[in-house]
Amino acid sequence: NAGVTQTPKFQVLKTGQSMTLQCAQDMNHEYMSWYRQDPGMGLRLIHYSVGAGITDQGEVPNGYNVSRSTTEDFPLRLLSAAPSQTSVYFCASSWGRVIHEQYFGPGTRLTVT
Amino acid sequence: GNSVTQMEGPVTLSEEAFLTINCTYTATGYPSLFWYVQYPGEGLQLLLKATKADDKGSNKGFEATYRKETTSFHLEKGSVQVSDSAVYFCALTVAGGTSYGKLTFGQGTILTVHP
Repeated sequence: NAGVTQTPKFQVLKTGQSMTLQCAQDMNHEYMSWYRQDPGMGLRLIHYSVGAGITDQGEVPNGYNVSRSTTEDFPLRLLSAAPSQTSVYFCASSWGRVIHEQYFGPGTRLTVT
Repeated sequence: GNSVTQMEGPVTLSEEAFLTINCTYTATGYPSLFWYVQYPGEGLQLLLKATKADDKGSNKGFEATYRKETTSFHLEKGSVQVSDSAVYFCALTVAGGTSYGKLTFGQGTILTVHP
């Protein structure tokens, strides 16, 4: 199993550009989520999904959209990038009915200039 | 709401020293508690967990005990190695309701171990 994969690993955007961060898992996990990691602030939940077709907002959802058309994929869209979105983004997944461990991808480092 | 507070870092130790990283929490309901570790350039990995009061989680020589009376989950290791250098995150999740599946993280503690 590849586990949780994320692409790209690094990305530089100009303010106002849009892009999609990709996340995929091959463990048939129901639950998937996106976090951002900023210095001194730990990880904060952006959006999450409890299954295909179902998504909801986390702690810091503004400026981001998600969709979940399949169990495997959970892309994160930045509609109009802002410097405040410069961060490291992590995707995670877990069994929906067993919430005791989440598996994280390697992360995407995004810089918005 | 739920929150996690970790001791301020960074922490710098010599090899074979004793490690403690403090973690306290507030939660609505009955949380499960976790320590995640992030090695340089990688994503987070689960280090250990405890799902009810007085449980002790352990892995790779690290231990943490779920103390409900002090709302704490301090991470300890008796003898650290250079390979333990990483960022350590304390986290919690509460089953059911609107918090289902959501992890709440502390701010992370950077550990550096010198030979």
